[in-house]
Amino acid sequence: ILNVEQSPQSLHVQEGDSTNFTCSFPSSNFYALHWYRWETAKSPEALFVMTLNGDEKKKGRISATLNTKEGYSYLYIKGSQPEDSATYLCAFIGAGTGTASKLTFGTGTRLQVTL
Amino acid sequence: DVKVTQSSRYLVKRTGEKVFLECVQDMDHENMFWYRQDPGLGLRLIYFSYDVKMKEKGDIPEGYSVSREKKERFSLILESASTNQTSMYLCASSLTGDNSPLHFGNGTRLTVT
Repeated sequence: ILNVEQSPQSLHVQEGDSTNFTCSFPSSNFYALHWYRWETAKSPEALFVMTLNGDEKKKGRISATLNTKEGYSYLYIKGSQPEDSATYLCAFIGAGTGTASKLTFGTGTRLQVTL
Repeated sequence: DVKVTQSSRYLVKRTGEKVFLECVQDMDHENMFWYRQDPGLGLRLIYFSYDVKMKEKGDIPEGYSVSREKKERFSLILESASTNQTSMYLCASSLTGDNSPLHFGNGTRLTVT
């Protein structure tokens, strides 16, 4: 059973704060890492698919980095806004599988941004 | 925009009932998935399908079956619902190919009493 861990479990920040959270995954046999944002009462939405060590991806105020050698990815949110409030999920795919059917999800980081 | 539609947002069923959860996607995706989400656990894969009439078990298939008669529709069937199947069920679809992201439906919150 693959171990994909996210920390912290939950986070409460004020509007304008920048924040980051971590996804840890097995450092051997890496294939890809996905990040999703899941707002309450909506469907999870893909943010990034990352495949290469050292990858950095950006979407507006959200960015992510990837370190496959040590088995972690960081998600950063710059200048948090209330609309960033959501649960952020990461999901790992190991080598030798290479398909979305083999995604192993973490339990998520729940972010709450208040005014 | 890809749209993945789940037929019910909330569902309440009795123990022993046969339950059908329906999912339809409109983007001609080859792959479709059923996950369940429970507090403190990550999304867990129940079944997936990579083509019409093709299916494969995920990590927790016990107590479930699936049907994919048409490319756009993937149904999850609880043959005899039990209380431990009370959960949030999410359907997703994706293209075949490396690193295609999943597109999710809004989820069905099923309560079995």
